[in-house]
Amino acid sequence: EAAVTQSPRNKVAVTGGKVTLSCNQTNNHNNMYWYRQDTGHGLRLIHYSYGAGSTEKGDIPDGYKASRPSQENFSLILELATPSQTSVYFCASGDPQGATEVFFGKGTRLTVV
Amino acid sequence: GDSVTQTEGLVTLTKGLPVMLNCTYQTTYSPFLFWYVQHLNEAPKLLLKSSTDNKRTEHQGFYATLHKSSSSFHLQKSSVQLSDSALYFCALSDYNQGKLIFGQGTKLSIKP
Repeated sequence: EAAVTQSPRNKVAVTGGKVTLSCNQTNNHNNMYWYRQDTGHGLRLIHYSYGAGSTEKGDIPDGYKASRPSQENFSLILELATPSQTSVYFCASGDPQGATEVFFGKGTRLTVV
Repeated sequence: GDSVTQTEGLVTLTKGLPVMLNCTYQTTYSPFLFWYVQHLNEAPKLLLKSSTDNKRTEHQGFYATLHKSSSSFHLQKSSVQLSDSALYFCALSDYNQGKLIFGQGTKLSIKP
């Protein structure tokens, strides 16, 4: 099965600090995604990418940056973390424009105190 | 902009009963629709997908039909089991961009 690996799996950060969430996929998928999951809001798209060097804003990009240095890696960066960014973050890879499956990582639980 | 709406936040049913989870969408392009299921403390996984109008698609006892005329892709099952308890997401993508957006999710809780 396709593999998407997120690190760290759990993170406690201080308000105002910088946080980097990493994602690696070995599926050679063009597209990668970052979502956050909060009760009552489902999965909300933060940033996505079509390939190395590209990043696109999703529906809730404010307060987040993304970086896609290679086909395999896609990072989510919180330059100045705030308590409102406490959430579970999922990375995914796939090519849904071909109606193919998008594969998710196991998620990162981020707590900003 | 594009959007996906799931009207039920929580559906509670007794084992053996039928279920329908609603999904409607808004988009200006030709859509691909998906249903993902997320069990407790796990990642979402694909359950169903479709891009063909008025064609029923089935998997693991669940089925759905994409109706472009009503912009709907409701998920159904004729007899739910305890193991169907999970969070269900409807999702929308397009042929060209690959942007994938999800609805708010419906929690399905099955009682013995």
